Amino acid sequence: EADIYQTPRYLVIGTGKKITLECSQTMGHDKMYWYQQDPGMELHLIHYSYGVNSTEKGDLSSESTVSRIRTEHFPLTLESARPSHTSQYLCASSPLLGEAAGNTIYFGEGSWLTVV
Amino acid sequence: AQSVTQPDIHITVSEGASLELRCNYSYGATPYLFWYVQSPGQGLQLLLKYFSGDTLVQGIKGFEAEFKRSQSSFNLRKPSVHWSDAAEYFCAVVGGTYKYIFGTGTRLKVLA
Repeated sequence: EADIYQTPRYLVIGTGKKITLECSQTMGHDKMYWYQQDPGMELHLIHYSYGVNSTEKGDLSSESTVSRIRTEHFPLTLESARPSHTSQYLCASSPLLGEAAGNTIYFGEGSWLTVV
Repeated sequence: AQSVTQPDIHITVSEGASLELRCNYSYGATPYLFWYVQSPGQGLQLLLKYFSGDTLVQGIKGFEAEFKRSQSSFNLRKPSVHWSDAAEYFCAVVGGTYKYIFGTGTRLKVLA
């Protein structure tokens, strides 16, 4: 079982509020990711990181920002939430390289965000 | 460029019937291939993965998948489906850039 945790699992907030979705992993993985997924739809990579102080934009443009100050922690922040941000956000991690680890990507259980 | 195609958006099978979910990929060399399952309201759980060697790989929950290079496919199979298998299934490929590409998913419905 993967050791990657997301909080909150479910959040309902008002438009214009600032929110931070937390993600932590205890596997020592260098690479971490944030995916956005609407119900029943495909996953879209919005941010990733190769390690501490590394952050990159993903394939899908997002108004959110991320930071990577510690290896195990990769929070995602929305400065001013809007209804269009309503979605599920999945955090994931993987070893940077390594045949032995197989480059498997491990997912958290997701954070469901609803902006009203 | 890498890509993954899951041709079936929805599949419905009866409990106890066999299952095959299709996955085709596009990549110049042999990629790393994965199948993940996502239950409603949950994250993705790894079912199985292929890197090299035996082209038939066994996973958790009684699933298996076969890598066929000539067909660029990595189809997921289960001989007898259980009601608890109802979920969304994602195929994924990792190529030389270590970038994960996910398919659009196949939603499985199991009839009692």
